[in-house]
Amino acid sequence: KQEVTQIPAALSVPEGENLVLNCSFTDSAIYNLQWFRQDPGKGLTSLLLIQSSQREQTSGRLNASLDKSSGRSTLYIAASQPGDSATYLCAVGSSNTGKLIFGQGTTLQVKP
Amino acid sequence: DTAVSQTPKYLVTQMGNDKSIKCEQNLGHDTMYWYKQDSKKFLKIMFSYNNKELIINETVPNRFSPKSPDKAHLNLHINSLELGDSAVYFCASSQDSTGGLSDTQYFGPGTRLTVL
Repeated sequence: KQEVTQIPAALSVPEGENLVLNCSFTDSAIYNLQWFRQDPGKGLTSLLLIQSSQREQTSGRLNASLDKSSGRSTLYIAASQPGDSATYLCAVGSSNTGKLIFGQGTTLQVKP
Repeated sequence: DTAVSQTPKYLVTQMGNDKSIKCEQNLGHDTMYWYKQDSKKFLKIMFSYNNKELIINETVPNRFSPKSPDKAHLNLHINSLELGDSAVYFCASSQDSTGGLSDTQYFGPGTRLTVL
């Protein structure tokens, strides 16, 4: 059974810092991995999708990496801004079941 | 302009009632999903439909019944509501024509259901 864990649960950094959010999964037989952002009271916004054959994806100040063999993904945010404050969710697409398994998220606060 | 929309945004109701949540997507996607996010923020898939056909049916009580009148709509009907049904319900859609995961999922704003 696939389990997805995100550490830390919460993170507070000063504006301008580079930071890394971590995601780990127990079953390496994944189809893809997605990172989402959720603002309070809002739906999820997809940030990056990494297919199982890929090692990383980049979008602006965001870079997501994938290491299937070790069951890990990281989301790197460069030069953080207060507007980056949100909950970041990692979701693994399972090859076996065809569904997304979500972690519990990391709540990020970027202080001005 | 809204890609994935849900109605209502908030729903407060008494135990035992029957209620429906509607979802519509204007992205031309083939696959739609329903997720439940509980009080601990854990997001879990409930159902997915591809071109009106049920693809994923997670272990949810049969009081929950999805209905897809066409591929742009996936409604969720809940019978005999219980306290534990209180959660935020998200609808999502993706282009993937196989009901799989090759494409990004786009989420609606969520419906916060409170059962009293």
